[in-house]
Amino acid sequence: SQQGEEDPQALSIQEGENATMNCSYKTSINNLQWYRQNSGRGLVHLILIRSNEREKHSGRLRVTLDTSKKSSSLLITASRAADTASYFCATDAGGAGGTSYGKLTFGQGTILTVHP
Amino acid sequence: DAMVIQNPRYQVTQFGKPVTLSCSQTLNHNVMYWYQQKSSQAPKLLFHYYDKDFNNEADTPDNFQSRRPNTSFCFLDIRSPGLGDAAMYLCATSRDLRVRNEQYFGPGTRLTVT
Repeated sequence: SQQGEEDPQALSIQEGENATMNCSYKTSINNLQWYRQNSGRGLVHLILIRSNEREKHSGRLRVTLDTSKKSSSLLITASRAADTASYFCATDAGGAGGTSYGKLTFGQGTILTVHP
Repeated sequence: DAMVIQNPRYQVTQFGKPVTLSCSQTLNHNVMYWYQQKSSQAPKLLFHYYDKDFNNEADTPDNFQSRRPNTSFCFLDIRSPGLGDAAMYLCATSRDLRVRNEQYFGPGTRLTVT
């Protein structure tokens, strides 16, 4: 069954604006990761947040995690045209319910378009 | 630069003709993964190796097999490709399963079945 659900499915903004993407999941997790995928390419790891962390920053990225609501958000500040890509959250259930360690379950992704 | 390499980037095969996709890594990571990603969908894990230990996902068709002859290389064999197997195939690695398990992806191989 699908673990991560993301919204919105698509987001269109102007350069300089902030972009917020949300991810919800169903089971307990070990960590949650965000990845970016440019069209027709592989995924690039952006940030990992552990279940005991609430917020993490990396450059223009800010990730929050609310384990009580089983949700996470990715904020990209001061967006650039080069940020145009699909963004996926992925959850690591970390052995819960018989799930293998290290197995990531990806959400459907948010397609972000940043207009120059 | 340390990286994950996939060859070929584009592969065309005929319905029912066996095909092999390859992946190599210079990261010296213990874990290697194969994902299938269809258009506008999430990557779906097919299987992974932790060192030499093979872990198949329950819903991965028998048509899909994998080999990992050494730390650096991993192969995906599709024994009898069907039209429904046309997809992007992504190889990924991670240092470990429990800690530092962020994954590093190759550029993918786009498979077309005619």
